Amino acid sequence: GEQVEQLPSILRVQEGSSASINCSYEDSASNYFPWYKQEPGENPKLIIDIRSNMERKQIQELIVLLDKKAKRFSLHITDTQPGDSAMYFCAASEGYQNFYFGKGTSLTVIP
Amino acid sequence: GPKVLQIPSHQIIDMGQMVTLNCDPVSNHLYFYWYKQILGQQMEFLVNFYNGKVMEKSKLFKDQFSVERPDGSYFTLKIQPTALEDSAVYFCASSLWGLNTGQLYFGEGSKLTVL
Repeated sequence: GEQVEQLPSILRVQEGSSASINCSYEDSASNYFPWYKQEPGENPKLIIDIRSNMERKQIQELIVLLDKKAKRFSLHITDTQPGDSAMYFCAASEGYQNFYFGKGTSLTVIP
Repeated sequence: GPKVLQIPSHQIIDMGQMVTLNCDPVSNHLYFYWYKQILGQQMEFLVNFYNGKVMEKSKLFKDQFSVERPDGSYFTLKIQPTALEDSAVYFCASSLWGLNTGQLYFGEGSKLTVL
């Protein structure tokens, strides 16, 4: 199956600054890249996604970038708040048939 | 929004026993999945299921694991017999395949503790 690498595994940023998480994938057939946020003891929830026909997508303070040539995609959280502290998982999917997740990034926003 | 329900939320059993984890996916979804997560680590794919069949499974999906969805009822993950390393949170997920959404909806998880 698809392999998704996610870095960094741990990220600490100051409140108000930006946080960036990077993922790479191997299968060029992957065409859908969602990002999930997981709070402790809860289930992962979709926060933003991007399809292969796009290079950039923004929802409020969340920006995702996709570089299909390099097989890389990234999540950028601008103006981070303490409520952004959580685990973040990237995933890659081909045709929504299966979703392969990265190992996760533990983000801590320091007030 | 759409909800995936999982029963039980927590189960403690002795090694060697059988366990069945139940999932009630979103009603019009077509693809169903099980993921295993150990202590806030990576979501590891186990299996996906479509049209009554296993479509793909990972190496983690051992011979002791099985899935089914008899007559459109619960989508179940059965482990028989259980081993200590099966202790984890098991997340069920479902998605609507073939449309633009494709979003994966997760249940709240079933925490399995094997003693």
